Amino acid sequence: GAGVSQSPSNKVTEKGKDVELRCDPISGHTALYWYRQSLGQGLEFLIYFQGNSAPDKSGLPSDRFSAERTGGSVSTLTIQRTQQEDSAVYLCASSLKGLAETGTQYFGPGTRLTVL
Amino acid sequence: AQSVTQPDIHITVSEGASLELRCNYSYGATPYLFWYVQSPGQGLQLLLKYFSGDTLVQGIKGFEAEFKRSQSSFNLRKPSVHWSDAAEYFCAVGTYNTDKLIFGTGTRLQVFP
Repeated sequence: GAGVSQSPSNKVTEKGKDVELRCDPISGHTALYWYRQSLGQGLEFLIYFQGNSAPDKSGLPSDRFSAERTGGSVSTLTIQRTQQEDSAVYLCASSLKGLAETGTQYFGPGTRLTVL
Repeated sequence: AQSVTQPDIHITVSEGASLELRCNYSYGATPYLFWYVQSPGQGLQLLLKYFSGDTLVQGIKGFEAEFKRSQSSFNLRKPSVHWSDAAEYFCAVGTYNTDKLIFGTGTRLQVFP
């Protein structure tokens, strides 16, 4: 079946502009995660959504970062006033259930963000 | 705090040789353990996972990993490497009381013909 999809695959923006990154999880998956993969930082957790529960935002690096999940499906990660250090690959993952219930996370191909 | 260490940044092997990629974790209770592979320009693909039970786990593409509690390790092995295995490999740990994965810094595998 269809996997996790992300758009755009590449995004180049100017410093100070806002960007929106989209994630379409696997159909039926209630859990959705955002991670960031950058040089020197490896893969780091950003935010987690599970059903109707309040999201776990503990990994968001600053208040310029926000995310929402509409209708329990599609998610959008928004970065306001982008900075050069935001340049990275942003990965989305979804799972049928949370890790506490031994859910396995399946990753999308990522969005490569370049801030000039 | 949980952490994952992959001591080898880069490994080079000949095609047909055996492979072992090291992963050590730091956590007080039994972790959930994962190996993912990332080919150039691709997302992360799950190779195998350990939640409980048999400590020797079989995965896709002929890979296996063994959970050794006494050594806090979850090393990935393959008896005979193929050129298509060249990629970056990530070990990750999670727990029953958090939902995020903590990743190691990755090991880049290069395969020579």
